[in-house]
Amino acid sequence: EPEVTQTPSHQVTQMGQEVILRCVPISNHLYFYWYRQILGQKVEFLVSFYNNEISEKSEIFDDQFSVERPDGSNFTLKIRSTKLEDSAMYFCASSETSASDTQYFGPGTRLTVL
Amino acid sequence: AQSVTQLDSHVSVSEGTPVLLRCNYSSSYSPSLFWYVQHPNKGLQLLLKYTSAATLVKGINGFEAEFKKSETSFHLTKPSAHMSDAAEYFCVVTLANQAGTALIFGKGTTLSVSS
Repeated sequence: EPEVTQTPSHQVTQMGQEVILRCVPISNHLYFYWYRQILGQKVEFLVSFYNNEISEKSEIFDDQFSVERPDGSNFTLKIRSTKLEDSAMYFCASSETSASDTQYFGPGTRLTVL
Repeated sequence: AQSVTQLDSHVSVSEGTPVLLRCNYSSSYSPSLFWYVQHPNKGLQLLLKYTSAATLVKGINGFEAEFKKSETSFHLTKPSAHMSDAAEYFCVVTLANQAGTALIFGKGTTLSVSS
């Protein structure tokens, strides 16, 4: 069964450094998403992406964040200058068409900012 | 604005007994509703979804949920708990039929199953 993959599984970085989290969505899916889950808190939406542009973003997704689909398979989340409070599990998801379609989640990348 | 409230942060049951995880939603429009499960150190897996078809939805692993518009509820049930059901469960809402829309997660309910 096709699945969403994410790399790395765990990323440790120093405050102020840039990080790029990578995702490979399911190949025939058209909508891509990033969510995050701070330890002990609920899963929060960051951004959705369709047709090479952002279709929706939350208040969390400020100028420090950016997303890109650099080729036909990868979908990346970049954090320009990490802060301690960016430490969280970051989940990538993809869906085939509309929001009522299932969003399939990857296993997540645990980001630790020191 | 849409939101979901999971009424219990933690539910404990014995193996073989029924499971009830409660969820109430708020939505101005016709919602799509989902239950996701997260096992320790694993990603989020879809259990079931409601998208305005049958109000009783059957999912994987023997779980089901009933959409009750009058009560704005979407409670998750299972007749007989198994040890492997121990996990975090999230009730999720989104706008139906709107492409690329965010999922709104509840705070989660931790299900513990004892032998």
